This record gives sequence, structure tokens and C-alpha cells, in this order.
Amino acid sequence: AQSVAQPEDQVNVAEGNPLTVKCTYSVSGNPYLFWYVQYPNRGLQFLLKYITGDNLVKGSYGFEAEFNKSQTSFHLKKPSALVSDSALYFCAVRDEDTGGFKTIFGAGTRLFVKA
Amino acid sequence: DTGVSQDPRHKITKRGQNVTFRCDPISEHNRLYWYRQTLGQGPEFLTYFQNEAQLEKSRLLSDRFSAERPKGSFSTLEIQRTEQGDSAMYLCASSLARLAGGEQFFGPGTRLTVL
Repeated sequence: AQSVAQPEDQVNVAEGNPLTVKCTYSVSGNPYLFWYVQYPNRGLQFLLKYITGDNLVKGSYGFEAEFNKSQTSFHLKKPSALVSDSALYFCAVRDEDTGGFKTIFGAGTRLFVKA
Repeated sequence: DTGVSQDPRHKITKRGQNVTFRCDPISEHNRLYWYRQTLGQGPEFLTYFQNEAQLEKSRLLSDRFSAERPKGSFSTLEIQRTEQGDSAMYLCASSLARLAGGEQFFGPGTRLTVL
């Protein structure tokens, strides 16, 4: 069965500092991995995805994520945080081989960027 | 606006009543998903359509829940005999089959409150 874990409920970072939001996953087949962001009173927005190829994927708003197969992780990163990055971030996984199109989301990590 | 739309945005009902929500996906998207999100949790998969066919349904979805996508365009989610535990945000998302990875585009959600 597919599962996603976001071990941190909240991440605090100062503006201008690098940020990392952690995600680990479990699938029996090959994973498709996603990050979504949810701003207050707005719907979830797609940030980036990993399907295959380079382990470092780049997405919207300067975010990137690193796929690590051995550690079954897909951490979200940004070199320099902005106050406007403060939001709720969700990691999601789909099992390419066995999961159909069912996507499993993590519980979310709230990012606070302090000016 | 060419995004995913949902109607109504808010619904307050009394326990035991039936409610129906509508989702209009992005026009060329042939896949449509329904999720439920409660406070502090990530979206929880409910069901998925490819065109008009309902291909997957969560075991968490009781017999009181039914979803349709009659012409492969808009979809409805009906909850019969609502219970207080049904109070949640109901999210709809759509995606394009030919897009590798199939990232989803979410609507703003319908917030259901069952009194």
C-alpha cells in the first residue's frame, strides 16, 4: 500500500535562509512524487513532480526537490526563503505500477517564513 | 477563468439531509478526482473518473456517498443522510491523461458543515 510521511508539522525559517520540508514515502512499485502548496483560502496548487530521470527536479516559485530512492525521500527545498512562501505544503505519491491513479497525500507541513 | 470550479463553496445542512456538490473540471481534462480534507490532514482520496467511467472508489466511501460524471465533463458528489462526521472540505481535481505523471489541478473546495 502507498503511504506518505511528513515528519514535521511545522517548519520555521528566517527570510533569506534556505528551507527544507521533508517527505518520505512507501510504494511497492515505482513512485510518482509530487509537491503541492495550499495558501490560505485558496486551493491546492501543483509545485513540482518527479517521474523519472534526474533526481533533482525544479518547479514553480524557485522550489526544487531531491528524489532519493535509497532513503525513499523526496524533500522540498528552496535556497532562499521568502515571507510569501509561508503556506501549507503537501507531499503526495502515486504508485506507477500498482496504484492506478490513486494519489496519497501526506498530512502537510506548515511553513512559516519570518521577516 | 479556466480553472477547476466547485459549487457551492459552502454548505450548511442538518444531520440526515442529503447534499449534492458539483465540480466543473478544466475543459480538456479527462480525469477527475474527489477528495475529502479535514482540519490538519491532507486530502483523502474518495473516487476517480476517467471520462464518464468511475474507475476507483475508496473503501472509506460509505454507501451514503455516490459520485457521477454522466457526460465525462462535470461531476456531482452526493451525500445521503448526512452525519456530523461528514463535515469537511470536499475537493475536486482534474488532470490530463496524456501528461506524464498526471499532476492534478484543484478547485477551491466545498466546505460542508453538518449540524
